[in-house]
Amino acid sequence: EVRLVESGGGVIQPGGSLRLSCAASNFPFGSNYMTWVRQAPGKGLEWVSLIFPGGATTYADSVKGRFTTSRDDSKNTLYLQMNNLRADDTAVYHCARVDSYFAFAFDIWGQGTTVTVSS
Amino acid sequence: EILLTQSPGTLSMSPGERATLSCRASQSIYRNYLTWYQQKRGQAPRLLIYGASSRATGIPDRFSGSGSGTDFTLTISRLEPEDFAVYYCQQYDSSGITFGQGTRLEIK
Repeated sequence: EVRLVESGGGVIQPGGSLRLSCAASNFPFGSNYMTWVRQAPGKGLEWVSLIFPGGATTYADSVKGRFTTSRDDSKNTLYLQMNNLRADDTAVYHCARVDSYFAFAFDIWGQGTTVTVSS
Repeated sequence: EILLTQSPGTLSMSPGERATLSCRASQSIYRNYLTWYQQKRGQAPRLLIYGASSRATGIPDRFSGSGSGTDFTLTISRLEPEDFAVYYCQQYDSSGITFGQGTRLEIK
C-alpha cells in the first residue's frame, strides 16, 4: 500500500521552530514531486510548498523565508523546517505526493500532524 | 497568484439529486491543470478529478468534471449519502498552487 505518514507536530511558542517529517513507503519517492498543505482549524486547505525531484523548491508567500522544505531520498522522507512560527501557522500539516503526469494533482495524502503555536 | 472562487459556499441537497459545484479562476488555468478534491470531517482530502475532467482511480462515475480556461464545474449526478462533504478545487502553474475556499455539500 502506498503510504505517507507525518510526524513532528506539537505545541510551540511564537517565534519557535519545529521540523515536520513525512515518511513515504511503497512508491519511488526520489522520482516524485512532493508537497506540504496545511489546514487551520475550521478553515480550508492552504498550499505551503512544493519540492521537485532533485530538490528545487517553491513556497507560498505566507511562509517564504520562514519555512524550508527538503527531502532525503535515501530515507524516503520529506521534511518541513518551520522557523519563526506565528499563531496563524497553527494548522494540521499534510504531506502529499504530486502526480506530475496528471496535472500536478495531489494523489496520495498523509493523515496530517497538528502544529499549535501558542504561548 | 491565481485566485480560485468556489460557489456556492454551501449547497443543501437530498440524496438522489444532482449537484453542480463551480470553480472560477482569476485568470486562465495553465493546461487546464484544475483538480477537485473531496474532504470528509477528520479525514485527509481525497483526489476526485484531475486535468479538469479526468476521474482519479477508483472514483465512481457519478462524479464528473468539466470546463476550461477560467470556468470549471464538478457535477455529482445522483448524490449518495457518502457524498456529503466539503469539495475543493485547486490549480497548478509555475507561479504557485492555490486552492478554492471550498463548497460544503450538506444534506437538506
